[in-house]
Amino acid sequence: SQTIHQWPATLVQPVGSPLSLECTVEGTSNPNLYWYRQAAGRGLQLLFYSVGIGQISSEVPQNLSASRPQDRQFILSSKKLLLSDSGFYLCAWRISGNTGELFFGEGSRLTVL
Amino acid sequence: AQSVAQPEDQVNVAEGNPLTVKCTYSVSGNPYLFWYVQYPNRGLQFLLKYITGDNLVKGSYGFEAEFNKSQTSFHLKKPSALVSDSALYFCAVRDNYDYKLSFGAGTTVTVRA
Repeated sequence: SQTIHQWPATLVQPVGSPLSLECTVEGTSNPNLYWYRQAAGRGLQLLFYSVGIGQISSEVPQNLSASRPQDRQFILSSKKLLLSDSGFYLCAWRISGNTGELFFGEGSRLTVL
Repeated sequence: AQSVAQPEDQVNVAEGNPLTVKCTYSVSGNPYLFWYVQYPNRGLQFLLKYITGDNLVKGSYGFEAEFNKSQTSFHLKKPSALVSDSALYFCAVRDNYDYKLSFGAGTTVTVRA
């Protein structure tokens, strides 16, 4: 069966420091991968999605970037964090070509101080 | 562009009573509709989906949802709510042409004993 892992689960970082959140999927190949941010425990904002290695689409201009160095690995990064980057970051995947439901990781809570 | 509206921020019901969480959508073409549930500090869990076919869709944990094309709605229902159903519920939609899911703002369900 397929599983998705995100780490770290919790992160507290100072303003101006770098960020790296990692997501990996097991048990499938060539998944579509997504990064969402959830602010204040409410709605989800799509940040990036990827349909293949090295293929990244950005949904909103911001301080963050994403990379997909391997088929089942998706990384969210920042060179210099802002206070506004605080939030709950969720990685998700779906089978390429299927009917569209996403499967989510357990999330990474980032607090920028 | 696709969008989802969840008109109620909060729904409160007594245990054993029926539960309804409302969702309306807007897409070009045929909609693919989804419901997710989120417990505190956890990722989203997939509950059910409508792609085509019977307008009444059954999902996990006794939940069901009814697709109504004329009203562009996809309300989530449970005949008899449990205290353990207390959580944040998200409706989501995509169309035929897009890899991305658009999520509603979420509805907090509280079931009192």
